[in-house]
Amino acid sequence: NAGVMQNPRHLVRRRGQEARLRCSPMKGHSHVYWYRQLPEEGLKFMVYLQKENIIDESGMPKERFSAEFPKEGPSILRIQQVVRGDSAAYFCASSPFRQGIAYEQYFGPGTRLTVT
Amino acid sequence: RKEVEQDPGPFNVPEGATVAFNCTYSNSASQSFFWYRQDCRKEPKLLMSVYSSGNEDGRFTAQLNRASQYISLLIRDSKLSDSATYLCVVSPNYGGSQGNLIFGKGTKLSVKP
Repeated sequence: NAGVMQNPRHLVRRRGQEARLRCSPMKGHSHVYWYRQLPEEGLKFMVYLQKENIIDESGMPKERFSAEFPKEGPSILRIQQVVRGDSAAYFCASSPFRQGIAYEQYFGPGTRLTVT
Repeated sequence: RKEVEQDPGPFNVPEGATVAFNCTYSNSASQSFFWYRQDCRKEPKLLMSVYSSGNEDGRFTAQLNRASQYISLLIRDSKLSDSATYLCVVSPNYGGSQGNLIFGKGTKLSVKP
């Protein structure tokens, strides 16, 4: 049973370019979350999605960042016009849908974005 | 005040030692609590959920004190492989209402031979 998959694992972009990060949840999981970890910092929530629906994007920067989870295919986190401050590890997590029980989120290996 | 606070460490202990991590959280409405571990440059991995009654998994024991908004993790008979950063994680959501996790910055543990 494959875990959460993310690609690419490493991504280098020049300032002003676009970055696209992909996440495939664990089999049977319908919820996807994106987190960002800046160097020497804790993980910060960005966005929570179900298929074709953004549930909570309260952690997303107002500009340049967007996320989607289409009916078919992986979830995508898109960063337009990257700046050096976007350099970080971006982790995706997934969880199954449950009711009445505290859920757990399982994390993918992350994408390390470097902006030069 | 930070939402989730942990002692950053590092904690340097010999093999076989017992080590305790503490964590406090600011939102009294928090509903779900977890400990994750993160190895250097790797993803966080779920270690255990934390329940009000306290729970144990092998050498690991977690406790929750809602009145004090305090969570603890105890590791007994520590192994070299326990060396990692331990993340205290809190969520405002419970059960069917799912949402974001709030992470502490972590406590680094180094177990020496």
